[in-house]
Amino acid sequence: DVKVTQSSRYLVKRTGEKVFLECVQDMDHENMFWYRQDPGLGLRLIYFSYDVKMKEKGDIPEGYSVSREKKERFSLILESASTNQTSMYLCASSFMDRFQYFGAGTRLSVL
Amino acid sequence: QKEVEQDPGPLSVPEGAIVSLNCTYSNSAFQYFMWYRQYSRKGPELLMYTYSSGNKEDGRFTAQVDKSSKYISLFIRDSQPSDSATYLCAMRENTGFQKLVFGTGTRLLVSP
Repeated sequence: DVKVTQSSRYLVKRTGEKVFLECVQDMDHENMFWYRQDPGLGLRLIYFSYDVKMKEKGDIPEGYSVSREKKERFSLILESASTNQTSMYLCASSFMDRFQYFGAGTRLSVL
Repeated sequence: QKEVEQDPGPLSVPEGAIVSLNCTYSNSAFQYFMWYRQYSRKGPELLMYTYSSGNKEDGRFTAQVDKSSKYISLFIRDSQPSDSATYLCAMRENTGFQKLVFGTGTRLLVSP
């Protein structure tokens, strides 16, 4: 079974803090993705990566950055957290052009 | 107009009912169509996928694609309380990087 593990299920941070969300997959997938999920807006793609050290902007990259130093790990960074970044963050991975498999999500609250 | 439209629900049905969940889309280049199921406070899990038009059946679930109408459906037969979840449709084009476009999800409640 594909396993995508997100390091935290719930996080509470303060405005202006630097926040790291970690994601690890155990299936040697090339592609990894970060989404945020908000009521009424669905899943929106923040960034994706198709190889180590490679990254591409998704639909809503503003306020976020990513890092992929190893194939199995993809990190999402909020340089200076703001209240409008309160959301559910979902990591996904896929092999080649196959289907995306999701982690359990991290519910982030920025106060 | 969103690329993919999905009624948010909630859709409430009694146990044993046949459920129909639907999405419409505007991009005629979409070729891969997927349904994900998401339980509360969990990540989406891939339920079914189809390529291009036609039907696909897996146990109690049937996925249907009508490309001429730009309309996809997921049918659940003999619905169970354990089917209570949010169902997300997702789709992508055949070429280029596999960027998925998601519907906003339909919340389904199956009562015993």
